[in-house]
Amino acid sequence: AQSVTQPDIHITVSEGASLELRCNYSYGATPYLFWYVQSPGQGLQLLLKYFSGDTLVQGIKGFEAEFKRSQSSFNLRKPSVHWSDAAEYFCARGGDYKLSFGAGTTVTVRA
Amino acid sequence: GAVVSQHPSWVICKSGTSVKIECRSLDFQATTMFWYRQFPKQSLMLMATSNEGSKATYEQGVEKDKFLINHASLTLSTLTVTSAHPEDSSFYICSASRPLGVDTEAFFGQGTRLTVV
Repeated sequence: AQSVTQPDIHITVSEGASLELRCNYSYGATPYLFWYVQSPGQGLQLLLKYFSGDTLVQGIKGFEAEFKRSQSSFNLRKPSVHWSDAAEYFCARGGDYKLSFGAGTTVTVRA
Repeated sequence: GAVVSQHPSWVICKSGTSVKIECRSLDFQATTMFWYRQFPKQSLMLMATSNEGSKATYEQGVEKDKFLINHASLTLSTLTVTSAHPEDSSFYICSASRPLGVDTEAFFGQGTRLTVV
């Protein structure tokens, strides 16, 4: 079965520092890949998505992600983190309109 | 992006009663909607796929008689938790998919916090 792995359960980063969240997907055809952010008690907001084409994808809020087929990865990055970026981040893989989510990474931002 | 509205945002009900949660796509027609359940500090688990005009497809382990799904129109799907018990307390999130040619994108509601007492 297709799956998504987020190796890091929790990451703490200083405000202004860079952030990288890891995401790996299981072997398969070129996947549809997504990153979502969830604030406490809220639904999910799409940050960015990859379907095909340029492997470096720009998203909202200054996020970007790079698709690397050789590593089966789709890591999310942000050069300079703001306190408002503290949230839960989910990587997801799409297929047949359904999404399979990773376990999520909690990001804490310290002043 | 498209808007998906979920109602109510939170609900508290007594054990044994039923609760209905609505999911509406406000500015596009969604032939397919999805219902997810999220436990605290955990990821989203797909419960079922709701197709307009047909029966929902449930994931393995999800009781279809307990979680009734109706997708009566292209903009509305409902999830009814029947005879709710405290273990049904959870965060329920719906999403609606809008196909874009060969691509698709899912838009999520804001979620419903269900507490059964």
